[in-house]
Amino acid sequence: NAGVTQTPKFQVLKTGQSMTLQCAQDMNHNSMYWYRQDPGMGLRLIYYSASEGTTDKGEVPNGYNVSRLNKREFSLRLESAAPSQTSVYFCASSKAGGPSDTQYFGPGTRLTVL
Amino acid sequence: GQQLNQSPQSMFIQEGEDVSMNCTSSSIFNTWLWYKQDPGEGPVLLIALYKAGELTSNGRLTAQFGITRKDSFLNISASIPSDVGIYFCAGRAATGGGNKLTFGTGTQLKVEL
Repeated sequence: NAGVTQTPKFQVLKTGQSMTLQCAQDMNHNSMYWYRQDPGMGLRLIYYSASEGTTDKGEVPNGYNVSRLNKREFSLRLESAAPSQTSVYFCASSKAGGPSDTQYFGPGTRLTVL
Repeated sequence: GQQLNQSPQSMFIQEGEDVSMNCTSSSIFNTWLWYKQDPGEGPVLLIALYKAGELTSNGRLTAQFGITRKDSFLNISASIPSDVGIYFCAGRAATGGGNKLTFGTGTQLKVEL
């Protein structure tokens, strides 16, 4: 089991460029999440997908779109990157169901927007 | 959005010392989780707590779910160099949050040999 995998590991973009961050999990989890991590801010939820076919906004969704491609894969797209989107992006997944549900994280994508 | 207050922000301790950190919220939570993040990696779950007053251990780590349901504590006994990293608390609100977690801002732990 690889758990949660993310690609790419690092990316540098110019302002206005677009890109898609990929995430996949092999734990047969129902729910998937995208977070961003900035210094001193902890992790903030961008979007999540409670189950295949559904997506919802989190705390900081502006400038992002997501696609739950299938049960395994959840992608995050930046249509027109801005320097404020320089961050580390983490994908997570969970089985979903009840307060005992636990989220498992991928290794992260380090994005710099110039 | 809601944030958890986590303290201290950073700690610089000697190997062998015990460490304590805590997290407080303005809302009642029904789940508290503690994660550790090593440099360049994603957070890894250390301990999960599901009931007020619950005390759970994982090796040298002990965490408690506060009685008020608005706080949680993590203790590390006899610290070693590999304890270095950032420790995050995370909580799940009792109402209105669904399955979403709110994360603290992290406690950075540095261990001096």
